[in-house]
Amino acid sequence: EVQLLESGGGLVQPGGSLRLSCAASGFTFSNYAMSWVRQAPGKGLEWVSVISNSGGSTYYADSVKGRFTISRDNSKKTLYLQMESLRADDTAVFYCAKEGGNIVGAIDYWGQGTLVTVSS
Amino acid sequence: DIQMTQFSSSLSASVGDRVTIACRASQSISSYLNWYQQKPGKAPKLLIYAASSLQSGVPSRFSGSGSGTDFTLTISSLQPEDFATYYCQQSYSSPPWTFGQGTKVEIK
Repeated sequence: EVQLLESGGGLVQPGGSLRLSCAASGFTFSNYAMSWVRQAPGKGLEWVSVISNSGGSTYYADSVKGRFTISRDNSKKTLYLQMESLRADDTAVFYCAKEGGNIVGAIDYWGQGTLVTVSS
Repeated sequence: DIQMTQFSSSLSASVGDRVTIACRASQSISSYLNWYQQKPGKAPKLLIYAASSLQSGVPSRFSGSGSGTDFTLTISSLQPEDFATYYCQQSYSSPPWTFGQGTKVEIK
């Protein structure tokens, strides 16, 4: 059974930093691209970032480019999101997501989400 | 970046109704279009990928169609468990991938 377990969310002040982690199990982690998707309270889904299966390629939404860094450790089956210079509009539930193999970009498994709140 | 537009933010329907949800891309995305269902407090669930391919385990009352810029998700006979918010997502060429704003299907 595929499981994605996020951690690291919490309350942080504007301008602060936070690192999210996502522990994966139930599939061959190193074979799949992984993404982060977020959802602000009461709002829709926003794609944040994706990393290739090897970690060699990364992409970001314009809204987080230069502030967020996605990375992965295939030996630990763990995905990360380092977030810097956080702003109030970064407040959201952050989902760790696995891309399926049938089509690039289609997310076939999601974690339960971790809430990041940016507030003073 | 490619923008995705879902024309209806919400719609009301009854159990047994045929429901269609539309999504338009700001440029041609071939068939790189995916549909998700999200219930309150839960993570999204993949329903349809590549515009018309049904994800494993998804009931056959869900179907997708379209290519290029215009796409549709159809629920042939709405069931009580289908009341949720539905999102389209494009995954054409290289990232960023983008989602539509979502369409909430409510009980009439």
